[in-house]
Amino acid sequence: GAGVSQTPSNKVTEKGKYVELRCDPISGHTALYWYRQSLGQGPEFLIYFQGTGAADDSGLPNDRFFAVRPEGSVSTLKIQRTERGDSAVYLCASSFDGRGNEQFFGPGTRLTVL
Amino acid sequence: AQSVTQPDIHITVSEGASLELRCNYSYGATPYLFWYVQSPGQGLQLLLKYFSGDTLVQGIKGFEAEFKRSQSSFNLRKPSVHWSDAAEYFCAVASGGSYIPTFGRGTSLIVHP
Repeated sequence: GAGVSQTPSNKVTEKGKYVELRCDPISGHTALYWYRQSLGQGPEFLIYFQGTGAADDSGLPNDRFFAVRPEGSVSTLKIQRTERGDSAVYLCASSFDGRGNEQFFGPGTRLTVL
Repeated sequence: AQSVTQPDIHITVSEGASLELRCNYSYGATPYLFWYVQSPGQGLQLLLKYFSGDTLVQGIKGFEAEFKRSQSSFNLRKPSVHWSDAAEYFCAVASGGSYIPTFGRGTSLIVHP
């Protein structure tokens, strides 16, 4: 079956612009996670959704970052007033119910802020 | 707060040789432990995980890991490495009650023919 997909695969933007990154989880997975991976580092947790609600958003670095999952499937990560330090690969993962089941990761979106 | 240390940034082995990647964690109670692999152009894939029970865990692709509470370690091993194992390997820890992993910075495995 289809895995987790993320669009776009690459996004180049200018400092100060607004960007949206999309994640399509595996069908039927209620848990969805966003991570950020900077060069030479491991993924860093941003936010976790259980269904439509954000169960844990403790990893969001500041209020420029926001994510939604209005229908409990597709999620969008939104970054306002982008900064060069936001450049990274943004990873999305989904799991069946968020209770220790395997997280399946998407290929990521590489964001470059010029 | 939980944390993970992967002391080796790069490891180089010859094809057919054995492999051990080191991972040390910091967490007060019994942790949930994971190893992931990330190949170029591919998403992260779970190799194995430890939640409880037998401290020697078998995973996919011939990998295994051993949880040693006294050493706060969860080292990954493989008896004979294949060229296709060249990738980035991440150890991760999660706390009881939350399955959200905190990742180490990764170890890059290079396999020589």
